[in-house]
Amino acid sequence: GEEVAQTPKHLVRGEGQKAKLYCAPIKGHSYVFWYQQVLKNEFKFLISFQNENVFDETGMPKERFSAKCLPNSPCSLEIQATKLEDSAVYFCASSQSERGNYEQYFGPGTRLTVT
Amino acid sequence: LAKTTQPISMDSYEGQEVNITCSHNNIATNDYITWYQQFPSQGPRFIIQGYKTKVTNEVASLFIPADRKSSTLSLPRVSLSDTAVYYCLVGPNGSSNTGKLIFGQGTTLQVKP
Repeated sequence: GEEVAQTPKHLVRGEGQKAKLYCAPIKGHSYVFWYQQVLKNEFKFLISFQNENVFDETGMPKERFSAKCLPNSPCSLEIQATKLEDSAVYFCASSQSERGNYEQYFGPGTRLTVT
Repeated sequence: LAKTTQPISMDSYEGQEVNITCSHNNIATNDYITWYQQFPSQGPRFIIQGYKTKVTNEVASLFIPADRKSSTLSLPRVSLSDTAVYYCLVGPNGSSNTGKLIFGQGTTLQVKP
């Protein structure tokens, strides 16, 4: 497709529950990025993929967060045992090239609320 | 990655030209300057990118002085729908770049009727 699709739009989880978010990048884009926007205007990079391979995972809290991009499937971001501080909007973005190309296409985001 | 500084907020009126300046004093030789726009409840959207002098597209113009320590995003004749947060990003080109975007606080532009 011509747009990055993210599902679900909203997700509510109790503390300790698992949350799984999905992202379908634009067709033909090889790179997928996940970002977390906790407070207004505050973005945090989480992880990026080049096709199905992890490219940069320096932003991932590895003890509870995991992500995958498998062939012919939407990419996913999973949070085990959610905490209140995980409440945020999670954005997925895709691009044709990661190097020197700052033109990334963002999805509408998934708003995760942990209660 | 070069740190950026931009005004937290700006107000304007419909039909006016808006200029948002971003300071990036420690910009590196291979850094590019990129601007994104984010509407409420949406993901950021790429607006424009430049390296030096002036870049113009159908949405905005980007002015970069010779020393590249600052840049100015210019929005001609804004409308109410231009109300958004505008982010200035500075990052390297080439093999040292992993592609991740580092967003600052951004500038919240409020366009009034």
